[in-house]
Amino acid sequence: NAGVTQTPKFRVLKTGQSMTLLCAQDMNHEYMYWYRQDPGMGLRLIHYSVGEGTTAKGEVPDGYNVSRLKKQNFLLGLESAAPSQTSVYFCASSLGDTTYEQYFGPGTRLTVT
Amino acid sequence: GNSVTQMEGPVTLSEEAFLTINCTYTATGYPSLFWYVQYPGEGLQLLLKATKADDKGSNKGFEATYRKETTSFHLEKGSVQVSDSAVYFCALRALNAGNMLTFGGGTRLMVKP
Repeated sequence: NAGVTQTPKFRVLKTGQSMTLLCAQDMNHEYMYWYRQDPGMGLRLIHYSVGEGTTAKGEVPDGYNVSRLKKQNFLLGLESAAPSQTSVYFCASSLGDTTYEQYFGPGTRLTVT
Repeated sequence: GNSVTQMEGPVTLSEEAFLTINCTYTATGYPSLFWYVQYPGEGLQLLLKATKADDKGSNKGFEATYRKETTSFHLEKGSVQVSDSAVYFCALRALNAGNMLTFGGGTRLMVKP
């Protein structure tokens, strides 16, 4: 049981490049989330999904897109990376609205130069 | 809107010292409150939670009491260990926010032998 895994762990992009971050969970969770973590600001929700085929905007969605084609995977895309998107990205999942615990992946450190 | 304010770190303590990390919140109604811990190089883990006023959450020697009158959820531990060195995040889940969490900025704790 791996829990929540994220790929890649580190990435450096140049401004304007695109990339996709992959999140996978093996706990059969319905809900999945993408956060970004910036110094002194805690975690801020980018997008989330309440089930396969659904996505919704969080607090800071601009510049990002997401897809949930399979229940176990949640992809975060940056179409044209900007230096302001330099951050640590965390994926999380939860069983649903009957429990509030979110399980987090180890994070992806992204630098945009 | 909803918000969480934590004391800024880093907090540096000697082993076996008493720990308090302050957390106050702003939210409508009665949110659920959480403390998450992030060890170096890892994702966040739920440490403890409280879902109604006067509830006390506890885990691994850490405690926090939900104080509605002061809108606070301070984290305490009677005797810290070097292994407690981590970043601690206070978070809330508002009644009208589905399963979305609002995080504080995090407090880094460093425990010296």
